[in-house]
Amino acid sequence: GAGVSQSPSNKVTEKGKDVELRCDPISGHTALYWYRQRLGQGLEFLIYFQGNSAPDKSGLPSDRFSAERTGESVSTLTIQRTQQEDSAVYLCASSLAGQNNQPQHFGDGTRLSIL
Amino acid sequence: GENVEQHPSTLSVQEGDSAVIKCTYSDSASNYFPWYKQELGKRPQLIIDIRSNVGEKKDQRIAVTLNKTAKHFSLHITETQPEDSAVYFCAATSPGDKLSFGAGTTVTVRA
Repeated sequence: GAGVSQSPSNKVTEKGKDVELRCDPISGHTALYWYRQRLGQGLEFLIYFQGNSAPDKSGLPSDRFSAERTGESVSTLTIQRTQQEDSAVYLCASSLAGQNNQPQHFGDGTRLSIL
Repeated sequence: GENVEQHPSTLSVQEGDSAVIKCTYSDSASNYFPWYKQELGKRPQLIIDIRSNVGEKKDQRIAVTLNKTAKHFSLHITETQPEDSAVYFCAATSPGDKLSFGAGTTVTVRA
């Protein structure tokens, strides 16, 4: 079946603008994760969804970052008033069940560039 | 929470030689340890995982070992090939907790 799908694949925007990133998980996967990966760096956890609730938001860097999820489907990550330090690849992953030792499957990411 | 340390940060090996990457974790309750491979500009892909009820797992040229007493686990790649060049991430998680990733190892296989 289809894997995790993210859109857009690339986004270039001016500092101060809001951006919305989208993630379509693998069908049937109840858990969804957002990560940030700066150039040449590791995976920085942002937020985790189980269904449409977010038990763990501990990784969101500031109140400019928010995310929501509709049921066990699409999730959107919104960054308001973007700053240059927000430039990174934003990766989404999904798994069959959350926090229960299930493999996470990643999308190709959205490469965000803030001018 | 879990803290995962990964070494080395870079590793250069001659084609055909073996590569070993080591990770340590802090939470003794951790029971699931996946390894991901990320090629340049691509998504991280799961290559192998191990659960705490086994000590070793193999898949062709890749093997992972787990030492629960010492709280460390390792990835072994034998007969390395140029296509093994990538960044490798280890991770660990305990029940009810999120996956914690190591900082990554950049592996370069020299032809």
